[in-house]
Amino acid sequence: GQNIDQPTEMTATEGAIVQINCTYQTSGFNGLFWYQQHAGEAPTFLSYNVLDGLEEKGRFSSFLSRSKGYSYLLLKELQMKDSASYLCAVKDSNYQLIWGAGTKLIIKP
Amino acid sequence: DAMVIQNPRYQVTQFGKPVTLSCSQTLNHNVMYWYQQKSSQAPKLLFHYYDKDFNNEADTPDNFQSRRPNTSFCFLDIRSPGLGDAAMYLCATSRDPTGAYEQYFGPGTRLTVT
Repeated sequence: GQNIDQPTEMTATEGAIVQINCTYQTSGFNGLFWYQQHAGEAPTFLSYNVLDGLEEKGRFSSFLSRSKGYSYLLLKELQMKDSASYLCAVKDSNYQLIWGAGTKLIIKP
Repeated sequence: DAMVIQNPRYQVTQFGKPVTLSCSQTLNHNVMYWYQQKSSQAPKLLFHYYDKDFNNEADTPDNFQSRRPNTSFCFLDIRSPGLGDAAMYLCATSRDPTGAYEQYFGPGTRLTVT
């Protein structure tokens, strides 16, 4: 079967750096997405990786290793508004998005 | 601004009483998706349309149906809602299902079944 694994919950301090890991086992690979979802709201797109390496976008960066089936989302200079769930999703060989359950990130002052 | 709109934002229905959720988009995207998401769970894909081609996920219950009368609108019908159908229903669009095209989500409809 297809599977995306992420930690259920993480806690970090305002101003710090946090890394959210995602491992995946899917039938084929056509890219990996990270989405942010605030409580009670819809997911919003953060980043896309299809080749190995690091993609940087402001305070957020995303890394991919296809050989290891592994990605991480790195959030720098954490702000209280970054408290949200972060969902990892992989496009499989049929271009279907396989979603992880999300990592709830709690930011403390 | 181009966007995905869902109505209503909150819907309360009685057990067994049919309900219809609507989604519209001004992005002119070819693909529209319906997801069900329960608390602290991954979004679960129910259906998607690529233009007028309808794709029903294998494990989507028969109780759920969908219509896409034109490019801009899509509807989710729940014929006989059960308590287990209480969830957030998310509509999303994408320019194309392949490649780097991300999905754009509407704000969701939170369904309560009493």
